Amino acid sequence: QVQLVESGGGVVQPGGSLRLSCAASGFTFSSYGMHWVRQAPGKGLEWVTFIWRDGSKKWYADSVKGRFTISRDNSKDTLHLQMNSLTVEDTAVYYCAIDFRLGILTYWGQGTLVSVSS
Amino acid sequence: AIQLTQSPSSLSASVGDRVTITCRTSQGISTSLAWYQQKPGKAPNLLIYDASTLESGVPSRFSGSGFGTEFTLTISGLQPGDFATYYCQQFTSYPLLTFGGGTKVEIK
Repeated sequence: QVQLVESGGGVVQPGGSLRLSCAASGFTFSSYGMHWVRQAPGKGLEWVTFIWRDGSKKWYADSVKGRFTISRDNSKDTLHLQMNSLTVEDTAVYYCAIDFRLGILTYWGQGTLVSVSS
Repeated sequence: AIQLTQSPSSLSASVGDRVTITCRTSQGISTSLAWYQQKPGKAPNLLIYDASTLESGVPSRFSGSGFGTEFTLTISGLQPGDFATYYCQQFTSYPLLTFGGGTKVEIK
């Protein structure tokens, strides 16, 4: 069955960096685009970024553009999110999700918590 | 960017009640709208897509309707497991997605 497992979350100081990973299984990873969506504590969902199935195209929310980089390793069925220049506003649970159907997010990971604090 | 406004932001209801949640968009999106249910500490779960198509495995007491800028999610006969937060999401500007602010359904 489809499974997405995020990792790499933790506590980081403002201005620091963190790299999240999302390990995929149960489907042909290289055939689908992937999203990252985040949720600040007690808040709603915020779309963060998307990568095309072959990694050739990427899109970012304005709130993270220039600081976050999405990438993927199709040989390892793994999605990454490199987060630099982190601020307290980036504190959230980060979910990866499969784009099986052009923006309809059927499968999500369990999420990984990123806490930016001094 | 397309903005989504959900109302109400929270509501109290009893088991068996009929509940309606509204999602309004800042510009017309045809039927490019999905609804998700999220329980505390869990990832969102897709309920409805294309405004009114029920995702496989989702109980038929959930239904969606709407077109353009106004959409509704209806739960007919609220069950104990339905107390959760519900989000609408547009995908007309794919792959840039936006979500509504959420509606928390609580037990009266």
